[in-house]
Amino acid sequence: DVVMTQSPLSLPVTLGQPASISCRSSQSLVFSDGNTYLNWFQQRPGQSPRRLIYKVSNRDSGVPDRFSGSGSGTDFTLKIRRVEAEDVGVYYCMQGTHWPLTFGGGTKVEIK
Amino acid sequence: VQLLGSGGGLVQPGGSLRLSCAASGFTFSSCAMSWVRQAPGKGLEWVSSISGSGGNTYYAESVRGRFTISRDNSKNTLYLQMNSLRAEDTAMYYCAKESGSTSYGGMDVWGQGTSVTVSS
Repeated sequence: DVVMTQSPLSLPVTLGQPASISCRSSQSLVFSDGNTYLNWFQQRPGQSPRRLIYKVSNRDSGVPDRFSGSGSGTDFTLKIRRVEAEDVGVYYCMQGTHWPLTFGGGTKVEIK
Repeated sequence: VQLLGSGGGLVQPGGSLRLSCAASGFTFSSCAMSWVRQAPGKGLEWVSSISGSGGNTYYAESVRGRFTISRDNSKNTLYLQMNSLRAEDTAMYYCAKESGSTSYGGMDVWGQGTSVTVSS
């Protein structure tokens, strides 16, 4: 199985400051069609997960542009340009290239 | 686009439960669907996926042989039949919509979740 490793586990951030979450996969996530199926999800307290980013860097509709995704191969990053109070929650990366589908362990973003 | 999960509850070890996920707002038969679970205080775990036609199914090793995913496209409903339940199956179960009939791992829309507790 592809292991997805996120860091840090916890990320205290000052409002208005940037935040960065790393996600590394144990195998390349490049699929035979040339796409890289790496997604990012946000789960606010008490809510269902919500997809933010798909295929590494594509923002979903309605997602603020302060969120951005980057990376390639086995190394990926989610960045929040300026953290707002509504960004508090747990963020997960997930790979959809290999079966079984696997998630990272999550990064908890909180306000300092 | 909306997904409404139901069917969760308290069941004894070894028992069975069937979860449902009612879909609306999109062409259900054109989208693969997935189940993802989250144990209390833990992260997300993919459970199972099914193609838009229902002809292809996929399972996590932890549930293979005990859980069965299915769908009724005439009713716009996804199911998860769970048998031989164990304490470690206790979790919130989410259904998620995929972006295409045979595309998996996209999970662009999630339901509100239905809670399953396995305990005597």
